[in-house]
Amino acid sequence: DTAVSQTPKYLVTQMGNDKSIKCEQNLGHDTMYWYKQDSKKFLKIMFSYNNKELIINETVPNRFSPKSPDKAHLNLHINSLELGDSAVYFCASSPEAGGATPEETQYFGPGTRLLVL
Amino acid sequence: DQQVKQNSPSLSVQEGRISILNCDYTNSMFDYFLWYKKYPAEGPTFLISISSIKDKNEDGRFTVFLNKSAKHLSLHIVPSQPGDSAVYFCAARPFYNQGGKLIFGQGTELSVKP
Repeated sequence: DTAVSQTPKYLVTQMGNDKSIKCEQNLGHDTMYWYKQDSKKFLKIMFSYNNKELIINETVPNRFSPKSPDKAHLNLHINSLELGDSAVYFCASSPEAGGATPEETQYFGPGTRLLVL
Repeated sequence: DQQVKQNSPSLSVQEGRISILNCDYTNSMFDYFLWYKKYPAEGPTFLISISSIKDKNEDGRFTVFLNKSAKHLSLHIVPSQPGDSAVYFCAARPFYNQGGKLIFGQGTELSVKP
């Protein structure tokens, strides 16, 4: 009964390809997020959705497009993959947007390790 | 422009001793600070948080201290146990709270030796 799941866990692909990473949460949360952990290990927020509406859109190339078909899913589609996109991508969810109080605690998925060759 | 930094990539401690993990921040516009713990091949899990109006928060073996004048926070684990071996991330939430945006440090890998 995984709370936040991501598929695939590993993704190896060639430059220029288009790929998608899927995220699902079964916690009944209203808010979902995508984070990127870069080579320097910093976790950086990319997007946040609340009730299927985009509320955070950090400075991310428009090759990255999140899609939330429903509250339980937030997928990340990446066009024209580049070497610099190689990273670990984490999905997360929280009952409410906020990230600080117990009602806003973010629960993370196990990550998707993307390697672009 | 890394606003949250953990300058020690790793820390090794003997079981039963105290572990002290440090975190520095550069921006005064944070209202909450958090610590997350991450095991290999898993996502980070929330550990403990502190509001910027407090200077200490304790939860069992874990205590977080906040020194606003130094823009520094630390996580103390007493006593340390082998199961505490993990990567610890500190994070800060901007007070303008853009829908749950957290700014993370790069993590410190704690190794607790039996």
